[in-house]
Amino acid sequence: QKEVEQNSGPLSVPEGAIASLNCTYSDRGSQSFFWYRQYSGKSPELIMFIYSNGDKEDGRFTAQLNKASQYVSLLIRDSQPSDSATYLCAVNGDYKLSFGAGTTVTVRA
Amino acid sequence: GAGVSQSPSNKVTEKGKDVELRCDPISGHTALYWYRQSLGQGLEFLIYFQGNSAPDKSGLPSDRFSAERTGGSVSTLTIQRTQQEDSAVYLCASSFPDRGREQFFGPGTRLTVL
Repeated sequence: QKEVEQNSGPLSVPEGAIASLNCTYSDRGSQSFFWYRQYSGKSPELIMFIYSNGDKEDGRFTAQLNKASQYVSLLIRDSQPSDSATYLCAVNGDYKLSFGAGTTVTVRA
Repeated sequence: GAGVSQSPSNKVTEKGKDVELRCDPISGHTALYWYRQSLGQGLEFLIYFQGNSAPDKSGLPSDRFSAERTGGSVSTLTIQRTQQEDSAVYLCASSFPDRGREQFFGPGTRLTVL
């Protein structure tokens, strides 16, 4: 079993819709959780982090964490063509990050 | 302030040659990490530095790989006797020292071994 698993893509959503990305992790000792956005040919860019159970909102992005279910998600509201990218879920239980394989999102105009 | 910088941005080398990749972290970030991203493998951890010490080298794939950090700042990742399977993007990240802090990535070095 992989340490971090993301829902398989690609995910295609119309402009203005909500994109929903899911991630599960296996290490119950994990403490912090991150979502990175990666455009093709570029390095990962941190867009959200969450440490506590519940929701955390930042602009059009909402991260949700449920440690009991070992589940973290990212919602992108009012999706824009500029949101088209691969989204990486990362989990930190110690110091190093464990990454999921990523979900590629395409926002169609 | 300036972000994480890496050099070179691209490196093409012949099989068997040694290469050095450089990372300059964000000022004030005492923690530094090297990761590797290759097609079909995703992003994998290589090594972690706290200051000049490397408490976790568990991700280095073989003894051909080594890394050092001097002055608590710049780090160099060295790959000796490169192989074609070493071709990947090598990413450096830095963070404040507390456990679980956000890590910020540099632009990466794309290594191609012919």
